[in-house]
Amino acid sequence: GAGVSQSPSNKVTEKGKDVELRCDPISGHTALYWYRQSLGQGLEFLIYFQGNSAPDKSGLPSDRFSAERTGGSVSTLTIQRTQQEDSAVYLCASSSTGLVQETQYFGPGTRLLVL
Amino acid sequence: QKEVEQDPGPLSVPEGAIVSLNCTYSNSAFQYFMWYRQYSRKGPELLMYTYSSGNKEDGRFTAQVDKSSKYISLFIRDSQPSDSATYLCATSGDSSYKLIFGSGTRLLVRP
Repeated sequence: GAGVSQSPSNKVTEKGKDVELRCDPISGHTALYWYRQSLGQGLEFLIYFQGNSAPDKSGLPSDRFSAERTGGSVSTLTIQRTQQEDSAVYLCASSSTGLVQETQYFGPGTRLLVL
Repeated sequence: QKEVEQDPGPLSVPEGAIVSLNCTYSNSAFQYFMWYRQYSRKGPELLMYTYSSGNKEDGRFTAQVDKSSKYISLFIRDSQPSDSATYLCATSGDSSYKLIFGSGTRLLVRP
């Protein structure tokens, strides 16, 4: 079956522009995570969605970052007024019910470069 | 102090060597521990998962948790060039739904 997909694969933007990153989780998975991976760094948790519950936004680094998950499926991460320090790989993962011991299935990531 | 510490490497070994990858964590109450493998320009994939302490073996891979020293290890026997990747340790911390990842160790297995 299809895994987690993300688009675009790569995004180059100019400082100050807004970007939208998309994630299609595995069908039927109720939990969805966004992470950021900077060069040589581990995965930094950004946001967690679980069903219709209020998302855990505690990892978003600033109010320029926001995310939505429509209809419990597709999610969009939006970064407004991008800065050079936003350059990173943005990874999306989904799991069946969101329990921490479940496997998180990752997409290939979106590589964002802010010039 | 970071909740999970991992040596970034890179670690370079000849094919067939036994590889030991390690992480330390900050709180002995942490219960779930995972190892993810990430190939270049790909997303991470779950390799091994252990609960609490002890060993778990899967083929050439063994995951070990020592709760008394707050140390987790991944051993790879008979390493292959296809094992060349970044290995990320992760723990549940005190959360029921999110993981804390180490920074990853780059492994290169030379033919």
